Amino acid sequence: DAGITQSPRHKVTETGTPVTLRCHQTENHRYMYWYRQDPGHGLRLIHYSYGVKDTDKGEVSDGYSVSRSKTEDFLLTLESATSSQTSVYFCAIKAGAWGETQYFGPGTRLLVL
Amino acid sequence: GQQVMQIPQYQHVQEGEDFTTYCNSSTTLSNIQWYKQRPGGHPVFLIQLVKSGEVKKQKRLTFQFGEAKKNSSLHITATQTTDVGTYFCAGVYSGAGSYQLTFGKGTKLSVIP
Repeated sequence: DAGITQSPRHKVTETGTPVTLRCHQTENHRYMYWYRQDPGHGLRLIHYSYGVKDTDKGEVSDGYSVSRSKTEDFLLTLESATSSQTSVYFCAIKAGAWGETQYFGPGTRLLVL
Repeated sequence: GQQVMQIPQYQHVQEGEDFTTYCNSSTTLSNIQWYKQRPGGHPVFLIQLVKSGEVKKQKRLTFQFGEAKKNSSLHITATQTTDVGTYFCAGVYSGAGSYQLTFGKGTKLSVIP
C-alpha cells in the first residue's frame, strides 16, 4: 500500500466549519495528490504537490487549499465546508517502475451537514 | 480539458460470463493505466500500457491499447464474484500534464452468482 495513511478516516461536520484532512506517506515520494470521488463523477483531482511547498490546482480546486511543509505530509483544508463537499477523499502518491503509477490511501469519508 | 470517456457505466453479468469495459480519448495518450476499486475500498493499480497496439494479460484479464494510443479496453474472461468492483482507466498525456492522471468515470461490475 506504499505506506500511505489518511486521517481522519471518517468525519461529520457542519456547514461553515473548517476541516483539515491529512495524508501521510513514509517512502519519501515527491508527488502527492488529493482526489475526491463522487457517484457518477469518478475520481477528480483537487490539488497536487510536486515537492515541499510546491503545489498546484487540479480540476476541482475551488473551496479547497493545500499545504505541504514536510515531504511526508500533504494537508487538504476546506476553509468553510459546504454540503457539496460531502464526498470520499483519496490521497495518492506517484511511484512505480515508470514513476507514473499512483498508489492510493484508504480514503476519508466526509459528511457535511 | 482532456477527457477520457469510459463505457459502460454499469455492467451486470452472470458468473462465468465475459465482461469488457472501454475507454476512449479524443487526443493521443502517452500511456494508459487501469485500476480496480472494490466496494468500500480504494483504487488499486492493475497495469500500465505504453506501446501502440500493446496487449497484456493477467490471468483472466486482458488489457489492450489501441494502435493510435487513443483507446483501451479491459476484458475479463469467465467472471467470478471476486471480480466485483469498479474498474477505472486513467490516461496520461504527454507534456506538461504528464504527472497527472485523467480518470474515466469507471465501470461498475456486478457479478450474479
